Amino acid sequence: SAVISQKPSRDICQRGTSLTIQCQVDSQVTMMFWYRQQPGQSLTLIATANQGSEATYESGFVIDKFPISRPNLTFSTLTVSNMSPEDSSIYLCSVGLAGGPLETQYFGPGTRLLVL
Amino acid sequence: AQKITQTQPGMFVQEKEAVTLDCTYDTSDPSYGLFWYKQPSSGEMIFLIYQGSYDQQNATEGRYSLNFQKARKSANLVISASQLGDSAMYFCAMREYGNEKLTFGTGTRLTIIP
Repeated sequence: SAVISQKPSRDICQRGTSLTIQCQVDSQVTMMFWYRQQPGQSLTLIATANQGSEATYESGFVIDKFPISRPNLTFSTLTVSNMSPEDSSIYLCSVGLAGGPLETQYFGPGTRLLVL
Repeated sequence: AQKITQTQPGMFVQEKEAVTLDCTYDTSDPSYGLFWYKQPSSGEMIFLIYQGSYDQQNATEGRYSLNFQKARKSANLVISASQLGDSAMYFCAMREYGNEKLTFGTGTRLTIIP
């Protein structure tokens, strides 16, 4: 597995502001993923971030709202822009680690976001 | 399109008993992987166990085992000798070979009763 850290672990923000979430991995990985988990819901993939290329967004998520950076093989950021109360969620990053024919995804501890 | 179904929103189990969490899936791809994750109240997602579609034997990891029935498209998680620390949300997930996307079920909230 890998050691994955996220900052901040939680935050309370005012509507209309933006928050940048950092994800750091202790080893080089090709693929990093960002998920959103709304209260009482399952995880939904926001986007896949490859180093050196534009992130690939899932249906319903756009770059203007969730810009992502991937400057190197151990780090990524997700920004939640122009926040509204509907953005209150847990945001999790994950990385794929080769362990067989299909990579297992390991998750960071998550960032709990409350938007007032 | 891949789909995961978990029909048990919540379960209560007596401590030390075994528990089975249900998961069914749907995919047209013959190559895929099935994963189970545990999410305690802290929010982190903890990987528990993996089963590949071509694996001949059911996966086991300590007290966790996966009852894989390919023809029925089910991949139930079995936790033996349950402990109070097993109380958490449990998510079943699937990934098709060549597709990085991991699709999650809706989860089952397991509560272990002392």
